[in-house]
Amino acid sequence: NAGVMQNPRHLVRRRGQEARLRCSPMKGHSHVYWYRQLPEEGLKFMVYLQKENIIDESGMPKERFSAEFPKEGPSILRIQQVVRGDSAAYFCASSPRLLGGKDSPLHFGNGTRLTVT
Amino acid sequence: KQEVTQIPAALSVPEGENLVLNCSFTDSAIYNLQWFRQDPGKGLTSLLLIQSSQREQTSGRLNASLDKSSGRSTLYIAASQPGDSATYLCAVSPSGAGSYQLTFGKGTKLSVIP
Repeated sequence: NAGVMQNPRHLVRRRGQEARLRCSPMKGHSHVYWYRQLPEEGLKFMVYLQKENIIDESGMPKERFSAEFPKEGPSILRIQQVVRGDSAAYFCASSPRLLGGKDSPLHFGNGTRLTVT
Repeated sequence: KQEVTQIPAALSVPEGENLVLNCSFTDSAIYNLQWFRQDPGKGLTSLLLIQSSQREQTSGRLNASLDKSSGRSTLYIAASQPGDSATYLCAVSPSGAGSYQLTFGKGTKLSVIP
């Protein structure tokens, strides 16, 4: 049973380019969460999605960032016109049901490390 | 606003020693608390999840306790091994709506010396 798959593992972009980060949840999981880990900081919640729906994007910057989880295919976190401050590790997590149940811990992927030069 | 603090930031111990990692949080209105392990360049592995109504959870050599009223949790690792070397993260889930918005500490980086 494959875990949460994220790609690419490492991504280098120049300032002003676009970054696309992909996340395939664990099989049978329909809830996806994106977190960001800035250097020397704890992970911070960005967005929660279910298939074809954004449920909560309160942690996502209002500009340049967007996320989707289409009916088919992986969840995508898109960052337009990247700046140096976007350099971070972006983690995706999934759960089979809404997080909070005692049998529903978050399962995290290995992350995408974005470097903006 | 919930804040999670982990002390110490780094810890180095000789192999075989028992050790305790500390986590404190400012808002006791939590749904659960999780301890994760993060290896360099890797994702997070969930170690233990404690519901707010529970006092502790055990898995193998790991034991996590929760004192919600005082806003504290500890992770006890018995008979440490070099393979335990990693960063350990504590995260709390708020009660009510938005229980998926975990608040993480910055972690304790553990080195177990052979």
